Parts: sequence; C-alpha cells; structure tokens
Amino acid sequence: EAGVAQSPRYKIIEKRQSVAFWCNPISGHATLYWYQQILGQGPKLLIQFQNNGVVDDSQLPKDRFSAERLKGVDSTLKIQPAKLEDSAVYLCASSLARAGVGGYTFGSGTRLTVV
Amino acid sequence: AQSVTQLDSQVPVFEEAPVELRCNYSSSVSVYLFWYVQYPNQGLQLLLKYLSGSTLVESINGFEAEFNKSQTSFHLRKPSVHISDTAEYFCAVSATGTYKYIFGTGTRLKVLA
Repeated sequence: EAGVAQSPRYKIIEKRQSVAFWCNPISGHATLYWYQQILGQGPKLLIQFQNNGVVDDSQLPKDRFSAERLKGVDSTLKIQPAKLEDSAVYLCASSLARAGVGGYTFGSGTRLTVV
Repeated sequence: AQSVTQLDSQVPVFEEAPVELRCNYSSSVSVYLFWYVQYPNQGLQLLLKYLSGSTLVESINGFEAEFNKSQTSFHLRKPSVHISDTAEYFCAVSATGTYKYIFGTGTRLKVLA
C-alpha cells in the first residue's frame, strides 16, 4: 500500500510569513495526526482528526496554527504568522481507528526553517 | 497523564556488540508501549509494540523489548548491532483506549565500525 504522503519536504521562510503543509494519509485510514518535532525532542501531537472532525487540538497554538481535513481524506496544516521557534519537522501520521493497537504510519515529514 | 523518559540521548557502540536503549514511563492507568525508529531524513517507523500478553516482544530485525511493570520500563535490546542500525530510536506510550501517543526525547544510536 502507498504510504503517507507529505509535501513539501523542505521549506524556508522568513518570520511573520505564512506557510502551509499538505498530507495525504493511507487510503482507508480514518484517523490523521499532525506532530511537531523540534530538533532534539520527541514528536509532540498538535492535532488529531477522526474522519473530518477534530478529536484533540489541545496543544495546537490556535493563535497562529490552523488545520483542516476536508472530506475526511487529505489535510493541510497552516502557520500564520510564523515565528523562529516554529522551526521543526512537521510529521503527518495516519491510522485505522484503533491506533492504540495498531500503531501509526508516519510520513517523511516537512522540515520548516524560519529565519 | 503519561510521560516517557529516555535517559540516554546518544549511545555509541561498536558493530556486533550488544546494545540496550533505556525507556521508563509513568502512568496511573494501563498503557500500550511502542518503540519507533527514525532513519536520517525519514519519518518514524514502528519497530515493535507491547499491548498485552507476553512481556517480551520482538521485531523482525533482531530487536527485542521487555515490559517490566514493577520497574515501569520498556528497554530495547539487540544482541549484535549492525552499521545499518544507526538511527534515532523513540519510545512512546499511550493509555489503553486512547489514540494519543506521548513520545520520549529519543536516543541516537551510532554504530561504529
């Protein structure tokens, strides 16, 4: 089966600019996650979707980050305006409903550098 | 709430030597435990998982991990490492019945020739 697709792979922007990331999960996976991985740290969950509804966005900085999953398939994560501390790898993952049992499948990530 | 501690940020080891990567967790409820591996410029890949049953779980490439409830640990071991095992390894925990993983800070394994 095809994996989780993410684009772009790399992005460099100046602070205060906006940026968007795209994710296409594995076909049939109802649950989609966006994680932020800052250098030297483990991934941190930003937002979790179940189909096209938000299940958990408690750690999403909503003043600047937004995400949507229209039609319950692919998803976009946006940052506006970006700050220097947003430099990180943004990972998308998907799973069947019972992720606690099966584990996630991660994409290769988008490396964002804010200068 | 759950938390995960990986005490070793880097572990250098010579090829064909054994290795142990340590992971300790805390939780007030029962948990699932996972090890993920991340090769350079790639996403995380599931290496192995403990859900229930036998406390010793194995991966297809020779790694194993043992769930120790009394010590709240889930250490990852391999009896003989290869250069290709060089990667970053993340331990993760999720409360049973939830979908949310808490990841540790990772251990960078560097296998030396």
